[in-house]
Amino acid sequence: QKEVEQNSGPLSVPEGAIASLNCTYSDRGSQSFFWYRQYSGKSPELIMFIYSNGDKEDGRFTAQLNKASQYVSLLIRDSQPSDSATYLCAVSGYSTLTFGKGTMLLVSP
Amino acid sequence: DTGVSQDPRHKITKRGQNVTFRCDPISEHNRLYWYRQTLGQGPEFLTYFQNEAQLEKSRLLSDRFSAERPKGSFSTLEIQRTEQGDSAMYLCASSLVAPTGVDEKLFFGSGTQLSVL
Repeated sequence: QKEVEQNSGPLSVPEGAIASLNCTYSDRGSQSFFWYRQYSGKSPELIMFIYSNGDKEDGRFTAQLNKASQYVSLLIRDSQPSDSATYLCAVSGYSTLTFGKGTMLLVSP
Repeated sequence: DTGVSQDPRHKITKRGQNVTFRCDPISEHNRLYWYRQTLGQGPEFLTYFQNEAQLEKSRLLSDRFSAERPKGSFSTLEIQRTEQGDSAMYLCASSLVAPTGVDEKLFFGSGTQLSVL
């Protein structure tokens, strides 16, 4: 059974700080990795994807991938209260994505 | 096209009743997925279609669950003889299979929140 593990949180950071969200996965054959943001009562929204080892930056977001350690992370710079949400890590499998339970992020003004 | 559309947004039903949900994917996408999400959990995969073919259905939760995509466009998910444990958010997503391989970026609809009383 493929597993994706995330700390459920909540992770609390002050406004303007860097938020670091982490994810580990069990399937060494996974090739694609995704971060989704989900506001309470809403559906998941894709915010980042990464396929290769290293860092990928998009605005205030940086995704980091280490396949050897089976570890994916998401950094959010200059965190804003509007970033308060649950962040879901998703890992590719055979034609589907397996999701973690998500980490709740709370950004205080 | 404004994205993946799901209907209804909310459904309240009594235990034992049948319910059907509809999903319209992004028009150029040829893969359609159904997921279920309960409180505090990540989305759980149920089934998916490529065009009209249902390529994976072993993860449907029981034989009370079925899905169709008769013309390769919209899809329906039916739950027969609903139980209180079926209460959840049912999410539909779509993606594009390109000739060079699968684009695994899934785009979700707003979901259907099912409450079974």
